[in-house]
Amino acid sequence: GENVEQHPSTLSVQEGDSAVIKCTYSDSASNYFPWYKQELGKRPQLIIDIRSNVGEKKDQRIAVTLNKTAKHFSLHITETQPEDSAVYFCAASRDFGNEKLTFGTGTRLTIIP
Amino acid sequence: GAVVSQHPSWVICKSGTSVKIECRSLDFQATTMFWYRQFPKQSLMLMATSNEGSKATYEQGVEKDKFLINHASLTLSTLTVTSAHPEDSSFYICSASGTASGYNEQFFGPGTRLTVL
Repeated sequence: GENVEQHPSTLSVQEGDSAVIKCTYSDSASNYFPWYKQELGKRPQLIIDIRSNVGEKKDQRIAVTLNKTAKHFSLHITETQPEDSAVYFCAASRDFGNEKLTFGTGTRLTIIP
Repeated sequence: GAVVSQHPSWVICKSGTSVKIECRSLDFQATTMFWYRQFPKQSLMLMATSNEGSKATYEQGVEKDKFLINHASLTLSTLTVTSAHPEDSSFYICSASGTASGYNEQFFGPGTRLTVL
């Protein structure tokens, strides 16, 4: 089955700096890669996703890049703000919607004011 | 986006009792629902996938006789933890998807925190 690795497990950055979180996956059939933000005790929130026919996607301060050949994808957050502090999970799936998601191990991001 | 609810939001029970958790899609028909378990400071681990009207597909290592899943309608799936023990204490989260509704992602419920004494 799919295996998703995520690094780093914790990340502290100064407010205003950029944060990068990286994930690798094992299943070459995976073609949907969402990123979730989870605050303590709450549900995961989809913040951005990318499909395998695209190499990069950007939404304001958040961007995701995908290298399908190397089987890795990354989340980039620019101009970080204190409210970006949370746990971030990457995930991989063979399709959006009806296919199961395999989650990475999570990254606890702390923004230092 | 679509709305998924869970009930109860938290439950405390004695060891040996059974607990039922409901997952509802409020404004769309969910052909597929997923049940995840999340232990403190860990990731979400898929327990099972359920499709409306058919038996759930359990992930390796998840006891189907202990975690009973029923997906009787397009808007409701239930997870029953039978004979719960302290090691079953966890955050249980469901998600729902229904591409026929036009939504192409999974929508997560708010989670149910189970504490077994």
